[in-house]
Amino acid sequence: DTAVSQTPKYLVTQMGNDKSIKCEQNLGHDTMYWYKQDSKKFLKIMFSYNNKELIINETVPNRFSPKSPDKAHLNLHINSLELGDSAVYFCASSLRRSSSYEQYFGPGTRLTVT
Amino acid sequence: KNEVEQSPQNLTAQEGEFITINCSYSVGISALHWLQQHPGGGIVSLFMLSSGKKKHGRLIATINIQEKHSSLHITASHPRDSAVYICAVSQGGSEKLVFGKGTKLTVNP
Repeated sequence: DTAVSQTPKYLVTQMGNDKSIKCEQNLGHDTMYWYKQDSKKFLKIMFSYNNKELIINETVPNRFSPKSPDKAHLNLHINSLELGDSAVYFCASSLRRSSSYEQYFGPGTRLTVT
Repeated sequence: KNEVEQSPQNLTAQEGEFITINCSYSVGISALHWLQQHPGGGIVSLFMLSSGKKKHGRLIATINIQEKHSSLHITASHPRDSAVYICAVSQGGSEKLVFGKGTKLTVNP
């Protein structure tokens, strides 16, 4: 009965590869997010989707492409991975029409690029 | 300068002590969030508030909109409270959260 799930939990890959991280929520939320937590544990938003529509797109290299096939899923595809992409990536979701935007986080995906 | 500043960065306490973590922000906000990140990495939302005070168990969060300041208090602290506590703000009805750098709390038995 996991609320927000991410796969994989750990991802080790080499520079130049392309990889995807998947996120699913079963909370009935309409808004989903991707956050990056760097080595200093600082969290920063990358993208947000509401009802499959992109609503937040921070200054992120265009090697990162989010895709939302439906309201319950938001995947993150990363092309041509670089060493600096190593981080923990968190997915989160919220219910926009509640106007509270309280967010529920997934367990995180630790990406290591070698 | 980060839009959201937390203090202290690190805090060590003995079990049973009263803990206060502070958060100041420099922008207009619609809500302020307190999050807890466990040593294992998971993030949990503790509070979301736009005015006044909220209480949940031993945790209390307050916000002063005029002073752009919020505090998170933990009463009767316990080693299981050891975690990183993160303050974040959302602005003007936007879902976008801007985060502080977190406060690492260690409670010793």
